[in-house]
Amino acid sequence: GQQLNQSPQSMFIQEGEDVSMNCTSSSIFNTWLWYKQDPGEGPVLLIALYKAGELTSNGRLTAQFGITRKDSFLNISASIPSDVGIYFCAGQGDKIIFGKGTRLHILP
Amino acid sequence: KAGVTQTPRYLIKTRGQQVTLSCSPISGHRSVSWYQQTPGQGLQFLFEYFSETQRNKGNFPGRFSGRQFSNSRSEMNVSTLELGDSALYLCASSLGQGGDQPQHFGDGTRLSIL
Repeated sequence: GQQLNQSPQSMFIQEGEDVSMNCTSSSIFNTWLWYKQDPGEGPVLLIALYKAGELTSNGRLTAQFGITRKDSFLNISASIPSDVGIYFCAGQGDKIIFGKGTRLHILP
Repeated sequence: KAGVTQTPRYLIKTRGQQVTLSCSPISGHRSVSWYQQTPGQGLQFLFEYFSETQRNKGNFPGRFSGRQFSNSRSEMNVSTLELGDSALYLCASSLGQGGDQPQHFGDGTRLSIL
């Protein structure tokens, strides 16, 4: 079946550093989505990408839809404490498939 | 605009009981999907409903069922509860079915089985 490989599984960074995470698949998707989940809450949509090659920003967040339509990355610039959480990618075609998440920790 | 609302937020049940969880989608959204989230398995797709019909189904046993009403609200039922059913159950809604409508999640129902 379709699977998404999201990496890294977890990251420990210093406040102010930039963050990069990505998702790859053997399948082609029509849409890539990035979500963030805080403890005790549901995932919140950060960025939606609809076209191969598309680069979209949302504040300090930037995501790109890979030109092969099989991958996507998310960058966070100048991380701050509230960026802590779990980030999920999702590829959407006939069905939506989620990555297993990247847990972001920020060291004081 | 109100988001996706799930009730109850927390639930404690014992093995063998059944449970019904409720989801009210964002106004105007017609598609509702359910997921089970556990620390080890991530987000596991249960099923999707659109226009009161189940359109997609994940790999869960028949103890897991759902339905959607004419106002797009959805319920999920789990019968004969097992310890392994302890999880966060998330509902997500989207405008329509298919690959061009992003899903928006509720805050989930945390189900604990004793």
